[in-house]
Amino acid sequence: NAGVTQTPKFRILKIGQSMTLQCTQDMNHNYMYWYRQDPGMGLKLIYYSVGAGITDKGEVPNGYNVSRSTTEDFPLRLELAAPSQTSVYFCASSTSNQPQHFGDGTRLSIL
Amino acid sequence: GENVEQHPSTLSVQEGDSAVIKCTYSDSASNYFPWYKQELGKGPQLIIDIRSNVGEKKDQRIAVTLNKTAKHFSLHITETQPEDSAVYFCAALDGSGNTGKLIFGQGTTLQVKP
Repeated sequence: NAGVTQTPKFRILKIGQSMTLQCTQDMNHNYMYWYRQDPGMGLKLIYYSVGAGITDKGEVPNGYNVSRSTTEDFPLRLELAAPSQTSVYFCASSTSNQPQHFGDGTRLSIL
Repeated sequence: GENVEQHPSTLSVQEGDSAVIKCTYSDSASNYFPWYKQELGKGPQLIIDIRSNVGEKKDQRIAVTLNKTAKHFSLHITETQPEDSAVYFCAALDGSGNTGKLIFGQGTTLQVKP
């Protein structure tokens, strides 16, 4: 099993551009999550999903959108990139009451 | 909602010494507490976890203790080695719904000096 795979690993965007961060998992997990991690800080939840077709806001959802059309995929969309969205983004997945498994992150810079 | 506080933010120990990281949580409905290790350039990796029906769990040099009454849980690493150097995060399961959401502490940067 590959676990949780995130692409791309690195990206530089200009202010106002849009992009989609991809996340896929092959563990048949119902639950999926997107976090951002700013330098020297903990993980803040952006959006999460408890199953295909269901998404909900986390702690810091502004400026982001998600969709969950399949169990495996949970893409995160930035519509109008802003410098405040420069961060490392982690995707994770789990089943009910089990630990979350993380991908290796996407490092995003917005200039 | 749940709030998790983690201390210290940085910890430096000599190789072979023990390291202890402490966390407190606010939601008495939380019943699951994982610890993650994050190495540079990598995602967090689960190293140990504990559920609210036990007070202590060990896995080789790593142990976690839980005090439900005081809402404290701690990570203990014995006989530290340079490869233990990393950022460690505690987390608590959000007890407000069946979402699997974890609330993370702010992280502890552990440095083990050879």
